[in-house]
Amino acid sequence: EDQVTQSPEALRLQEGESSSLNCSYTVSGLRGLFWYRQDPGKGPEFLFTLYSAGEEKEKERLKATLTKKESFLHITAPKPEDSATYLCAVFNQAGTALIFGKGTTLSVSS
Amino acid sequence: GAVVSQHPSWVICKSGTSVKIECRSLDFQATTMFWYRQFPKQSLMLMATSNEGSKATYEQGVEKDKFLINHASLTLSTLTVTSAHPEDSSFYICSARSPVSTDTQYFGPGTRLTVL
Repeated sequence: EDQVTQSPEALRLQEGESSSLNCSYTVSGLRGLFWYRQDPGKGPEFLFTLYSAGEEKEKERLKATLTKKESFLHITAPKPEDSATYLCAVFNQAGTALIFGKGTTLSVSS
Repeated sequence: GAVVSQHPSWVICKSGTSVKIECRSLDFQATTMFWYRQFPKQSLMLMATSNEGSKATYEQGVEKDKFLINHASLTLSTLTVTSAHPEDSSFYICSARSPVSTDTQYFGPGTRLTVL
């Protein structure tokens, strides 16, 4: 069964305290892994797409990496405005639908 | 670029009534749009894929007679929740496939539906 699992469920950091979020997936023939940011009561905001193991993408304080079984979203020196829920998604095996994880809710305090 | 809007942002209705939610791609044409539902602290669940000019494809377990989808133009898809009940209360989010990278979906801001 195609599945996406994110950990931890919640993460509290102090401003400037770097950390990583994990997304593990089970799908045959990965067609793309996506990271989104979702603020409360809002729709997801696209961050990154990764296609192959070893690929990395960066945007400001965020860096996404991909292995054959999981992806990491590294947050370097986070700021309070980075507080949000980060969602990971992959295409199902048929490539017709995105399967989302439940997300990691990040809280950054100053 | 790639902005998707939804209207309304929130709606409260009585049980048994129908509610229509609009999803628009503002600065691009979207031949394919998607409708998701999200319950509190749960992941987004795909309800249906909407293709311009053709019938929507519904995911398993989603009642197509209850959730009517129309994609009449390249910039507008609508979701109508018919005979709404309290268990239909949820956060409904649409997305559109990027015109540049067709794997990427851009999401609307969502519509909070509360059925009394």
